[in-house]
Amino acid sequence: GAVVSQHPSWVICKSGTSVKIECRSLDFQATTMFWYRQFPKQSLMLMATSNEGSKATYEQGVEKDKFLINHASLTLSTLTVTSAHPEDSSFYICSARDPNSNYGYTFGSGTRLTVV
Amino acid sequence: GQNIDQPTEMTATEGAIVQINCTYQTSGFNGLFWYQQHAGEAPTFLSYNVLDGLEEKGRFSSFLSRSKGYSYLLLKELQMKDSASYLCAVMDSNYQLIWGAGTKLIIKP
Repeated sequence: GAVVSQHPSWVICKSGTSVKIECRSLDFQATTMFWYRQFPKQSLMLMATSNEGSKATYEQGVEKDKFLINHASLTLSTLTVTSAHPEDSSFYICSARDPNSNYGYTFGSGTRLTVV
Repeated sequence: GQNIDQPTEMTATEGAIVQINCTYQTSGFNGLFWYQQHAGEAPTFLSYNVLDGLEEKGRFSSFLSRSKGYSYLLLKELQMKDSASYLCAVMDSNYQLIWGAGTKLIIKP
């Protein structure tokens, strides 16, 4: 089945620095990828929809200048958390829809971000 | 607005059967998904229902009633490894996934 690779699995960074998270579709082309954030004991919250070759669509309340999304190719989308603060500490997960499957939505393994 | 409701937490005994319910109100309907998520990990796909009825897959079954806006996930012969959160998600008319808050399932020996 479709595989989405996400890196890094976990990262610790200092407050004020930036962190980049990569999400790759390994065996299919993903024109659209989704970025989620999940706080402890809460459900997935969609942050933005990443579209290949165009600007991402951000959900209400998500700062686009803080969470930079780049989807430069059909197999790679990146999320950069700029000027990270402790409140940005969370579990970030990407997903993509396999266009050849009704079941779609394959998830990356997630990135645990801790800002100290 | 769009809404997905499922119980916050359930407890069951190893070897038993448990049913996790999900009700939804969404703008359009293009299918309902169930995912399993272990703590600290990404969700993994369990089932997809777009037509009414029961879909059986091994120890797991999923049921859908579109007229009632209702689904359930049935887990049989529970094992300790089934302890996880179970997420219900509906694909709306824009093909966006609307997620429930998840049901934490605790399995006791």
